[in-house]
Amino acid sequence: GAVVSQHPSRVICKSGTSVKIECRSLDFQATTMFWYRQFPKQSLMLMATSNEGSKATYEQGVEKDKFLINHASLTLSTLTVTSAHPEDSSFYICSASGTHSGNTIYFGEGSWLTVV
Amino acid sequence: KNQVEQSPQSLIILEGKNCTLQCNYTVSPFSNLRWYKQDTGRGPVSLTIMTFSENTKSNGRYTATLDADTKQSSLHITASQLSDSASYICVVREIHASGGSYIPTFGRGTSLIVHP
Repeated sequence: GAVVSQHPSRVICKSGTSVKIECRSLDFQATTMFWYRQFPKQSLMLMATSNEGSKATYEQGVEKDKFLINHASLTLSTLTVTSAHPEDSSFYICSASGTHSGNTIYFGEGSWLTVV
Repeated sequence: KNQVEQSPQSLIILEGKNCTLQCNYTVSPFSNLRWYKQDTGRGPVSLTIMTFSENTKSNGRYTATLDADTKQSSLHITASQLSDSASYICVVREIHASGGSYIPTFGRGTSLIVHP
C-alpha cells in the first residue's frame, strides 16, 4: 500500500525555538495533507488541512501563525512549530490523500515533540 | 456540522472475549467510513473501509458493519488478543460538493484494553 513518511520521529527543542516536521508521500501524489496533534490518552485532533499549492485551512482554535504549514509539492508538506513552548509538547501526525486510489487517507508514523 | 460519535470511550475486556465498538455519524453526503487501529505512539492503521452499498466487511478477527440508513457502524472484534489493546478510530468521509478533496470527520476513538 501507499506509504507516508514523517520525519523526525522524535525531536527535543528548547523553549522559544522553532522546529519543523516533514511529511512525505513516497509513492503517490498527495493532493491533500492533514496535520493532527494528539495528547496522551486522547484521540487525534485535526489541526489543519492543506491542498497542494494552496494555503492551509486551520481548525478553530489552532493558531496559524504558530503552526506554519507548507504544502508546496504533491509529495511534501511541512509543519513548523514556531516559538515552541512546553505546552506544545505532543504527538504530531500527518496523513495524506490523493486521487490515485479513491482518496484513501494514509497516515504517517507520527512525530514526538518535546519542548524543554 | 458533520459529527462522528464513538462509544464506548474506553473498554476493558479479558483476552479471548469478543467486543463491539460503535460509531454513529451525521456526515452527509456520505462517501465512505473507515475504521483505524492506533497503537500508542504510532500512526493509525486502516482496518476496514466501507462505502454506501456495503453492509459488512471483515479483516481477520475484525468485522465492520454499516447501516447507511441509520448512519451507524460497528466494529466487532472476535477472540480478542493482548495485541488488540489500542485506540480504534472511526473516520467518515464526506463527498465535497465542489469536487476535489473528500473531507474526513474523525471520531474521538475508543480505547480498548485487553487483559490476560
